[in-house]
Amino acid sequence: RKEVEQDPGPFNVPEGATVAFNCTYSNSASQSFFWYRQDCRKEPKLLMSVYSSGNEDGRFTAQLNRASQYISLLIRDSKLSDSATYLCVVNNAGNMLTFGGGTRLMVKP
Amino acid sequence: NAGVTQTPKFRVLKTGQSMTLLCAQDMNHEYMYWYRQDPGMGLRLIHYSVGEGTTAKGEVPDGYNVSRLKKQNFLLGLESAAPSQTSVYFCASSVHRGLLGPQHFGDGTRLSIL
Repeated sequence: RKEVEQDPGPFNVPEGATVAFNCTYSNSASQSFFWYRQDCRKEPKLLMSVYSSGNEDGRFTAQLNRASQYISLLIRDSKLSDSATYLCVVNNAGNMLTFGGGTRLMVKP
Repeated sequence: NAGVTQTPKFRVLKTGQSMTLLCAQDMNHEYMYWYRQDPGMGLRLIHYSVGEGTTAKGEVPDGYNVSRLKKQNFLLGLESAAPSQTSVYFCASSVHRGLLGPQHFGDGTRLSIL
């Protein structure tokens, strides 16, 4: 089993739709959780950290479920510019972050 | 604020040649990382450093060496390049204040080995 697993997609959604991604992690001792966004041929960029109580940043909402060991990202009112690959990232072992393989989102007009 | 800067941006090497990739950060971060990203494989950690003068192996260290002589710089070396090392290389840095913080990435080095 991979340490961090994501559905690779692609998720094809129309503009304005709400879309959600889940990510599961295997290490119950994980303490830091993040969502990154990566555009084609670009570097990953931090989208948001994920806190135990859940957190929201504009159209984006992140949730953490420690009991079931998954984190989620909800995007409301999708924009064309949201098209990208979304990476789930978990601190699995002290000084390292483990990246999921990414979920590709395509927002269509 | 430059953040994390990688040089060079692109490079083509012949098998057996050597080269060094440079990563520089101006955020005073203690932790620095080198990753490679291949199609369909996601990001894989090569080596990392938790401070000046320290280095440690990541998931795929073979064929690479690193050095962290100065806090702001993290060098990745290929002693004898192989076609399997054709990839996009990303450097990242982060802070650690009790919990490991998010990593800030450079914009990558595209390396082709012929």
